[in-house]
Amino acid sequence: GAGVSQSPRYKVAKRGQDVALRCDPISGHVSLFWYQQALGQGPEFLTYFQNEAQLDKSGLPSDRFFAERPEGSVSTLKIQRTQQEDSAVYLCASSPRQGMGVEDGYTFGSGTRLTVV
Amino acid sequence: AQSVTQLDSQVPVFEEAPVELRCNYSSSVSVYLFWYVQYPNQGLQLLLKYLSGSTLVKGINGFEAEFNKSQTSFHLRKPSVHISDTAEYFCAVRRSGYSTLTFGKGTMLLVSP
Repeated sequence: GAGVSQSPRYKVAKRGQDVALRCDPISGHVSLFWYQQALGQGPEFLTYFQNEAQLDKSGLPSDRFFAERPEGSVSTLKIQRTQQEDSAVYLCASSPRQGMGVEDGYTFGSGTRLTVV
Repeated sequence: AQSVTQLDSQVPVFEEAPVELRCNYSSSVSVYLFWYVQYPNQGLQLLLKYLSGSTLVKGINGFEAEFNKSQTSFHLRKPSVHISDTAEYFCAVRRSGYSTLTFGKGTMLLVSP
């Protein structure tokens, strides 16, 4: 597609519910990133894929967070047993190049706003 | 580890006035620096970046920024703002050899007539 597409745009979950957030990167982009943006804060890194390989998941806040990119294109961020502190905008970004030496800022999607009630 | 400080959470300014949004970073190694803009309910759009070379970089929409290594700063400037520049602006740093970005908390630019 022309840009990075994320769905759903908005998600309301009851505390304890599992959610899955989808990211469709730009076709052919090798690198894919997930960031979490809490209200009034800047985005914070969650995890990074190069093709289907998850090379860095150091930013995932707990073992309730899980991300996958099985075929090296679409990625899903799954949050199990959601808590109120998980409420945030989840941003996906992709880049045509491999992680090391990326010189371009990534292309970000519009995000999924998750509200846990 | 690197960190990014955006000193102002909000900057109100009148249309056609100049503006400077401040950004300071801390890192013990070489870094690349970026400014992003975020309009309401949208993703982040790259304004400009400093990778190497000239310390004055020009970006889209008439914005520019100057890299100052001695002061570890990368302030964003525009000589004359428009109402349409109202948005949140994020400074970000990427450590040389790594792929992830570290963002500041953002500065809300509010342009009024």
